[in-house]
Amino acid sequence: DSGVTQTPKHLITATGQRVTLRCSPRSGDLSVYWYQQSLDQGLQFLIQYYNGEERAKGNILERFSAQQFPDLHSELNLSSLELGDSALYFCASSVGTTNEKLFFGSGTQLSVL
Amino acid sequence: AQTVTQSQPEMSVQEAETVTLSCTYDTSENNYYLFWYKQPPSRQMILVIRQEAYKQQNATENRFSVNFQKAAKSFSLKISDSQLGDTAMYFCAFMRGSNTGTASKLTFGTGTRLQVTL
Repeated sequence: DSGVTQTPKHLITATGQRVTLRCSPRSGDLSVYWYQQSLDQGLQFLIQYYNGEERAKGNILERFSAQQFPDLHSELNLSSLELGDSALYFCASSVGTTNEKLFFGSGTQLSVL
Repeated sequence: AQTVTQSQPEMSVQEAETVTLSCTYDTSENNYYLFWYKQPPSRQMILVIRQEAYKQQNATENRFSVNFQKAAKSFSLKISDSQLGDTAMYFCAFMRGSNTGTASKLTFGTGTRLQVTL
């Protein structure tokens, strides 16, 4: 168990809908990262937050947004969902210093039908 | 931009044998870190081993070791005494050294599916 908690584990929804994925980082970790894993794109970095502030942005679509709350949990919001958004979404956390170990949650499997 | 290449989509090894997974990367950075992550059927991403680019000594973690060739930009993973539980997808990953005080993002390769057989 990495200590990073993601909910829900599975999510099935329809095209055009909006969903929210939740991540609780390891105790004491200030930095949260979101990744998308799909068959055609592999593992892609979406966005990073550090202590509530956006720190880095990757290949995140405009239909997607994220935030990190004062209690350090993070949410990834996906809207106007398309079939191609079906993927495994991972959250990872790190201490937030120059400690470079990232610990991953078990992911949320999103299926858009 | 950094790229990570894993040229072996699938590999197979018998239990108790040794197997080496290949990884090459491309970067102009001098300060960086390299990782191997394991993703078993449970889908969890598990950190196997980490290598700091400034260290010449190859990292080892129990049965797992790396062969880090900085000039060749090569970072292979050796698994000794393979076990059935080693069956998984293995991802090589690159992280640029950070001067912002927080760890940078990971750039992943496409993965190598390893099957350990009896």
